[in-house]
Amino acid sequence: TQLLEQSPQFLSIQEGENLTVYCNSSSVFSSLQWYRQEPGEGPVLLVTVVTGGEVKKLKRLTFQFGDARKDSSLHITAAQPGDTGLYLCAGVPGNYGQNFVFGPGTRLSVLP
Amino acid sequence: NAGVTQTPKFRILKIGQSMTLQCTQDMNHNYMYWYRQDPGMGLKLIYYSVGAGITDKGEVPNGYNVSRSTTEDFPLRLELAAPSQTSVYFCASSYRTRWDTEAFFGQGTRLTVV
Repeated sequence: TQLLEQSPQFLSIQEGENLTVYCNSSSVFSSLQWYRQEPGEGPVLLVTVVTGGEVKKLKRLTFQFGDARKDSSLHITAAQPGDTGLYLCAGVPGNYGQNFVFGPGTRLSVLP
Repeated sequence: NAGVTQTPKFRILKIGQSMTLQCTQDMNHNYMYWYRQDPGMGLKLIYYSVGAGITDKGEVPNGYNVSRSTTEDFPLRLELAAPSQTSVYFCASSYRTRWDTEAFFGQGTRLTVV
């Protein structure tokens, strides 16, 4: 059973297009994080969201945490080839849990 | 600072052999984790530790063992390697509070069991 689900699994778009990827769970998370992983490397943190309804922006990336703290979304505006990679959501389930689990990831390919 | 260091980077094992994947961090983080990542997939938690002397199972612990005798080191032991353990293994560490859970990852160990 996957605690965190991500959709879509794969996404291939043209440079300049907008996209949204989703991270969903039936469990409440005390915080959710988004990581980006490039081939041959470990994941690198993009953002942490903690408060239900929180919106954070990182240049062309907008992250939102659901009001019930069970889901999150990542929106990329005007995607560039440098955005290509595996996007992973991760979090600590429960009120203040111990585990730190990852979703299966969304593999994004931005074509020039 | 070196961050999280994993060794070796690559290893080929024969079925039934054993090995230890080493992980050390120099950030004085209390939490450490071992994940495996199969091709094209996300990360699955094998074991984690909330501090020296304390370890607990993650999602996929079977076939693995860990120990945490110091804050810095968190080795992962594979006993009786099987082809299903072919994967990339990542060690990570973090200093956990509710507002700060950034995990720092090592470069990974690519293991093939033949």
